[in-house]
Amino acid sequence: NAGVMQNPRHLVRRRGQEARLRCSPMKGHSHVYWYRQLPEEGLKFMVYLQKENIIDESGMPKERFSAEFPKEGPSILRIQQVVRGDSAAYFCASALRALYTDTQYFGPGTRLTVL
Amino acid sequence: EDKVVQSPLSLVVHEGDTVTLNCSYEVTNFRSLLWYKQEKKAPTFLFMLTSSGIEKKSGRLSSILDKKELFSILNITATQTGDSAVYLCAVDGETSGSRLTFGEGTQLTVNP
Repeated sequence: NAGVMQNPRHLVRRRGQEARLRCSPMKGHSHVYWYRQLPEEGLKFMVYLQKENIIDESGMPKERFSAEFPKEGPSILRIQQVVRGDSAAYFCASALRALYTDTQYFGPGTRLTVL
Repeated sequence: EDKVVQSPLSLVVHEGDTVTLNCSYEVTNFRSLLWYKQEKKAPTFLFMLTSSGIEKKSGRLSSILDKKELFSILNITATQTGDSAVYLCAVDGETSGSRLTFGEGTQLTVNP
């Protein structure tokens, strides 16, 4: 049973370009969370999605960031017009969210570097 | 706003030592507290705690929760160099959605 998959593992972008980060949850999981880890800081919640729905995006910056989790395919975190401050590790987690089994399992992360 | 504070922020010990990592929290609608181990990659799940006073144990690692005093500890006995990592504490404090609020982590270094 494959774990949470993220790609790419490393992404380099120049300022002003777009970054697209992908996350495939564990098999059977329909709840996806995105977190950002800035250098020397802890993980910070960004957005929580279920299939075709954004449930909580209170941790997302208001501009340039968007997320989706379509009916088919992976969840996508999209950052438009990247700036140097967007350089961070972006982790995706998935959960089953059955009544007593809702542990979030993390993917390996995408390390975004903005030049 | 939910808050998680871990201490110490860093710790250096020798192989064979026993360590205790601390996590205190302030959350609304507490649901669970989780411990993860992060070694330069994905945080790896260790424990989920929901009830006070019940110790969770896995090999040399154990953890317990005190919901009255709002803290948890993670114990590692007979430490090994492979235990070197950042240990993250997180709380699930929402009744729906259940985002995790993380502490800054404790950087544990175990020297041979």
